Amino acid sequence: ELKVEQNPLFLSMQEGKNYTIYCNYSTTSDRLYWYRQDPGKSLESLFVLLSNGAVKQEGRLMASLDTKARLSTLHITAAVHDLSATYFCAVDTLFTSGTYKYIFGTGTRLKVLA
Amino acid sequence: NAGVTQTPKFRVLKTGQSMTLLCAQDMNHEYMYWYRQDPGMGLRLIHYSVGEGTTAKGEVPDGYNVSRLKKQNFLLGLESAAPSQTSVYFCASSSPGQIYEQYFGPGTRLTVT
Repeated sequence: ELKVEQNPLFLSMQEGKNYTIYCNYSTTSDRLYWYRQDPGKSLESLFVLLSNGAVKQEGRLMASLDTKARLSTLHITAAVHDLSATYFCAVDTLFTSGTYKYIFGTGTRLKVLA
Repeated sequence: NAGVTQTPKFRVLKTGQSMTLLCAQDMNHEYMYWYRQDPGMGLRLIHYSVGEGTTAKGEVPDGYNVSRLKKQNFLLGLESAAPSQTSVYFCASSSPGQIYEQYFGPGTRLTVT
């Protein structure tokens, strides 16, 4: 069974601290996506990682991909309250029809405390 | 560009009632998807479509039907709603190519009593 696991599932952290969210997946894939979801809102694309060793940064967030280890990380630097949200990773996998579909992780709910 | 839109935003149904959720996209995307999101379970794929007139089952298709009569629209139908279908439904679209990034609609919150 194809699985995408995120940890931690819940993360409460102080402003100014650093932390990393991990995304492990069980299928062979060269593409991984990170999304952010605010409560009651839709999913907003954060990063698209297309190859082994890919690293993307936007503000206080940095994502990386290691396809050999089947692991992606989302690193938070000097957290601020505005980063409070749920973060999802998703992996592309080839579907039986010949197209690709996403498999989502269960999400990491991040709460940044002032 | 409106992106991906969904109607309605909220709906309450009684068990056994039927309804259709509409998804529309103006990005000329080939692929469209319907997901449901339940607490603690992430998003699960219900049905998807790789082009006008074609649909296929995802991970949790039972109790749902879909149609893609026009490229820009993807309809999700519930013929006889059940309380287990209480969820938030998201539509997404994408285009084939190197980046299969999916763009999501705002969601429909459905409650079945």
